[in-house]
Amino acid sequence: AQTVTQSQPEMSVQEAETVTLSCTYDTSENNYYLFWYKQPPSRQMILVIRQEAYKQQNATENRFSVNFQKAAKSFSLKISDSQLGDTAMYFCALMIKAAGNKLTFGGGTRVLVKP
Amino acid sequence: DADVTQTPRNRITKTGKRIMLECSQTKGHDRMYWYRQDPGLGLQLIYYSFDVKDINKGEISDGYSVSRQAQAKFSLSLESAIPNQTALYFCATSGVGRDEQFFGPGTRLTVL
Repeated sequence: AQTVTQSQPEMSVQEAETVTLSCTYDTSENNYYLFWYKQPPSRQMILVIRQEAYKQQNATENRFSVNFQKAAKSFSLKISDSQLGDTAMYFCALMIKAAGNKLTFGGGTRVLVKP
Repeated sequence: DADVTQTPRNRITKTGKRIMLECSQTKGHDRMYWYRQDPGLGLQLIYYSFDVKDINKGEISDGYSVSRQAQAKFSLSLESAIPNQTALYFCATSGVGRDEQFFGPGTRLTVL
């Protein structure tokens, strides 16, 4: 079975500053993807960034980047130049290709960006 | 227009009632999923379907049933709703060979 753990229930950051969210996971599979989803107050699930396990290079999407440490099974998200619109719940998720692309989610981290 | 739609968006019902949540997609994806989100928690998989004739249980299927009426439609039913099924329910779709799931807007269900 797969597990995903997010150890930070809440984090706050000043506008324009940087915040890093932690995620650890556990799986015995080698072929998998990792994701960060954002859930703003509108409750829509929005994909922020994805990482393929076989790629060593860390993924980046504009102000969002990840630090993927495969051996340590760690997948942190860095939000640079934080904006008020980044205020949301952030979920780390693991997808096992051999398991029908089902997603296993962490418990989430609430991020509050302060003006 | 949204690619993945869910109806209703909000629903309040009473204990013991039967309720159906519906999901439709225009993405042409074969795979569809139902997730449940409890307050302050991540999403948990209820059921998933790879095509009309292939339906599988997820982590928390007890108390739920599903129907895949067509490639584009996947419904979730609560045969006899109970208060601890109060939650936010999401439908998602995924294409074969694609790694991303696309989520609907969610249905907030309250069981009194």
